[in-house]
Amino acid sequence: QVQLVESGGGVVQLGRSLRLSCAASGFTFRNYGMYWVRQAPGKGLEWVAVISYDGTNKYYGDSVKGRFTVSRDNSKNTLYLQMNSLRAEDTAVYYCATWRGSGYYYFDYWGQGTLVTVSS
Amino acid sequence: QTVVTQEPSFSVSPGGTVTLTCGLSSGSVSTSYYPSWYQQTPGQAPRTLIYSTNTRSSGVPDRFSGSILGNKAALTITGAQADDESNYYCVLYMGSDIVVFGGGTKLTVL
Repeated sequence: QVQLVESGGGVVQLGRSLRLSCAASGFTFRNYGMYWVRQAPGKGLEWVAVISYDGTNKYYGDSVKGRFTVSRDNSKNTLYLQMNSLRAEDTAVYYCATWRGSGYYYFDYWGQGTLVTVSS
Repeated sequence: QTVVTQEPSFSVSPGGTVTLTCGLSSGSVSTSYYPSWYQQTPGQAPRTLIYSTNTRSSGVPDRFSGSILGNKAALTITGAQADDESNYYCVLYMGSDIVVFGGGTKLTVL
């Protein structure tokens, strides 16, 4: 069955960096675009970044543009999110999700999330 | 800045029917936005319910249905059950693999 397992979350100080990973299994990872979506405590869902199936196209939400970088390694079935210059408002649970494009345009599967806490 | 609007909260009686909506701050929602709906209970990951306006995701009971009502996307729950008490998010597709999330609706079943 499809599994998405996020890791790399934790407590980090203001202005520091953190890299999240999302290990995928149970499907052909290289065929799917992938999203990072986050949820601040008590808030709604917010898209962070999306990467195309082959890594050539990447887009970012306005709140993270210039600070976060999404990447993927299709040989390792893994998605990454490099987060730099972290701010208090980046505190959230970060989910990876498969993106079903090509005429469907929805999130197919979700990971369980990893919590990032940015502290001063 | 595109804003997707949802009712902040809604309540329904057990066995009742409720329709949650998803609109745009300016303009109408159509099938061209490929509206999708997600259910999330506190502490859990979102679960995909509906995509492409009205297609149920695998394993989703048929008491969940999606549609366009007027100028909004809609999620209707028929015969609400206690475990339908959740937050519901709609997502609209904006093109180029970009989406916008609605703010979510907290549904209470009582």
